[in-house]
Amino acid sequence: AQKITQTQPGMFVQEKEAVTLDCTYDTSDPSYGLFWYKQPSSGEMIFLIYQGSYDQQNATEGRYSLNFQKARKSANLVISASQLGDSAMYFCAMREKSRSGNTGKLIFGQGTTLQVKP
Amino acid sequence: NAGVTQTPKFQVLKTGQSMTLQCAQDMNHEYMSWYRQDPGMGLRLIHYSVGAGITDQGEVPNGYNVSRSTTEDFPLRLLSAAPSQTSVYFCASRSGEYRDQPQHFGDGTRLSIL
Repeated sequence: AQKITQTQPGMFVQEKEAVTLDCTYDTSDPSYGLFWYKQPSSGEMIFLIYQGSYDQQNATEGRYSLNFQKARKSANLVISASQLGDSAMYFCAMREKSRSGNTGKLIFGQGTTLQVKP
Repeated sequence: NAGVTQTPKFQVLKTGQSMTLQCAQDMNHEYMSWYRQDPGMGLRLIHYSVGAGITDQGEVPNGYNVSRSTTEDFPLRLLSAAPSQTSVYFCASRSGEYRDQPQHFGDGTRLSIL
């Protein structure tokens, strides 16, 4: 069965430093998509970055980048130059394999709480 | 530019009561879904729809019903609320054109069942 694992319940980082949030996944589907979402204390879910399994390069979006290591089945989120506003919970998610092939359902990891220290 | 709108934002129910959580999107998205978020867990899929008139079960469908009569609306019904359904509920939508389009989430509904 497909699974997403985030092994870091909580992380601390000093403001302006970089931080890596870990995500490993398990799937037998050769085609899959990986997503990262941010959930601040206000509760909304904010899409950050996407990586497709066939993408040749690691995805980047501003200060966010995805360290995609396909052989290791890991898709770690790297946040550069951390800001106080980055304090939030971060979820890794994967598009679920489906019989019909096109539902795009997501399965989520348990999340990592990041706290940025001033 | 409303995106995905969920109502109500907060609700307290007594065990056995019924209610409907509303979800509406104005982006003409084909795909809509409902998730629940419990402490220490990620989001889990309850039900989803790939278009008007088409719904299917997710990971945790028991105790919930859905329907999709229009593209815009995807209500979630609790027929007989139970304390185990205390959770934060999120509705999401995405374009159906490409399955890896990111999902847009509503702000959530915090539901407590006493």
